[in-house]
Amino acid sequence: AQSVTQLDSHVSVSEGTPVLLRCNYSSSYSPSLFWYVQHPNKGLQLLLKYTSAATLVKGINGFEAEFKKSETSFHLTKPSAHMSDAAEYFCVVTVTGTASKLTFGTGTRLQVTL
Amino acid sequence: EAGVAQSPRYKIIEKRQSVAFWCNPISGHATLYWYQQILGQGPKLLIQFQNNGVVDDSQLPKDRFSAERLKGVDSTLKIQPAKLEDSAVYLCASSSQGAAGGTQYFGPGTRLTVL
Repeated sequence: AQSVTQLDSHVSVSEGTPVLLRCNYSSSYSPSLFWYVQHPNKGLQLLLKYTSAATLVKGINGFEAEFKKSETSFHLTKPSAHMSDAAEYFCVVTVTGTASKLTFGTGTRLQVTL
Repeated sequence: EAGVAQSPRYKIIEKRQSVAFWCNPISGHATLYWYQQILGQGPKLLIQFQNNGVVDDSQLPKDRFSAERLKGVDSTLKIQPAKLEDSAVYLCASSSQGAAGGTQYFGPGTRLTVL
C-alpha cells in the first residue's frame, strides 16, 4: 500500500520569499515520488520526479525537492516565490519499476501575495 | 508535440442521464489513464489502459462507468446513469511507459456537473 500526506492544505507567502510545501509518504516498496502543479482550468503539469537516483531533485521554474528516507518526506521548495507560482500543488507516490498506479495527495493551494 | 486532448471541456447534465467523454493521447503513448478529481481532492485513478487492454480498473464503479480504447489510441469514458456525486473533473493522461517508468502527461480535463 502507498499513500501521501500533504501537511498543509493552504500556504500563503509574499512574492520574493521562500516556498515550502510539505509532503510525507508511505510505501511498502521503493517509492517513486512526483510533484505536479495545477493552474486554474489547466491540466496537471509535472514539476519534478524522484526515481531512486539523486536525493535532491531539481525541477522546472526553480523548484526542487529532497527525498529523505529517514523522515519519509519529499518536501517541495523554491528560494523565491513569484506571482505566477500561485496554483494547486500535488505530491504523488508510486512504486518504482512497476506499473503501479499513481496515488495523489489532497493538494496544497499556494497563494502568493505582493 | 501536441498534448493530450479532451472534449468536451464542460458538461452539465441532470441525474440519471448519460454522458461520454473523449480523450486523444499524445501520439505514440501506449498507456492511457482516466482520473476523477472531485473538488478539493487529488485525482483518483479510474482506469488504466496499456494499448487497448485494461491494466487496472479496480476503482472504476462498473455498475455505471465504462471505458474503452478499441484501437489502442483514443478512448471514451461513459457514465450511465449519472449521479449527483459524479460531479467532478475527469482527467485523461498518457505516458509512453507504465506509471513509474514514464511521466504522465495530463489533458485539461472535462468538468462535469450533475444537477
